[in-house]
Amino acid sequence: DAMVIQNPRYQVTQFGKPVTLSCSQTLNHNVMYWYQQKSSQAPKLLFHYYDKDFNNEADTPDNFQSRRPNTSFCFLDIRSPGLGDAAMYLCATSRDRGSIYEQYFGPGTRLTVT
Amino acid sequence: KNQVEQSPQSLIILEGKNCTLQCNYTVSPFSNLRWYKQDTGRGPVSLTIMTFSENTKSNGRYTATLDADTKQSSLHITASQLSDSASYICVVMNTGFQKLVFGTGTRLLVSP
Repeated sequence: DAMVIQNPRYQVTQFGKPVTLSCSQTLNHNVMYWYQQKSSQAPKLLFHYYDKDFNNEADTPDNFQSRRPNTSFCFLDIRSPGLGDAAMYLCATSRDRGSIYEQYFGPGTRLTVT
Repeated sequence: KNQVEQSPQSLIILEGKNCTLQCNYTVSPFSNLRWYKQDTGRGPVSLTIMTFSENTKSNGRYTATLDADTKQSSLHITASQLSDSASYICVVMNTGFQKLVFGTGTRLLVSP
């Protein structure tokens, strides 16, 4: 089945220790998104890739970076995680960037910072 | 300011009963409205997507309505099941910036 896969599902990292979260998709979608969702809050868009074009949200901290080496994979790098970065990180994809296109979400990676 | 507000914040109903969740939005210019179901610890899954001209859309036991004039939407769940226990998130797409504006969700618990 075509889907959005996130690994790992649970990640524990130490304060200040770099961590990378992974997302892959078999949908062959052009757009891949990264969202941060804290407990009982709505998902917050961090950035997205439209093909190879990186689009950062204005209020995304510099601590968060992303890489998309090919169509299928996208990575979220947190250079120096703080306690406030503990959250669920959701990856999503859409076929294109227009408003009519559905976003398909992965199951998420729950990040704990100790 | 683009906002999506949902009510109630949480809801408990008995299995087999119906319920209706509400969503009000101030997103403009409006493109479409989506309802997602998010199980605990999982990513959101799309239930319906409605454009300006659509008033009602059904997906099995889920029926969404949209009143673009009053900027309100509802999600009606019929004959609830235990597996309906989840958060239901109303999301509105802004045409201008083509971004999703998320509500904070309604947490539904279906009790046996």
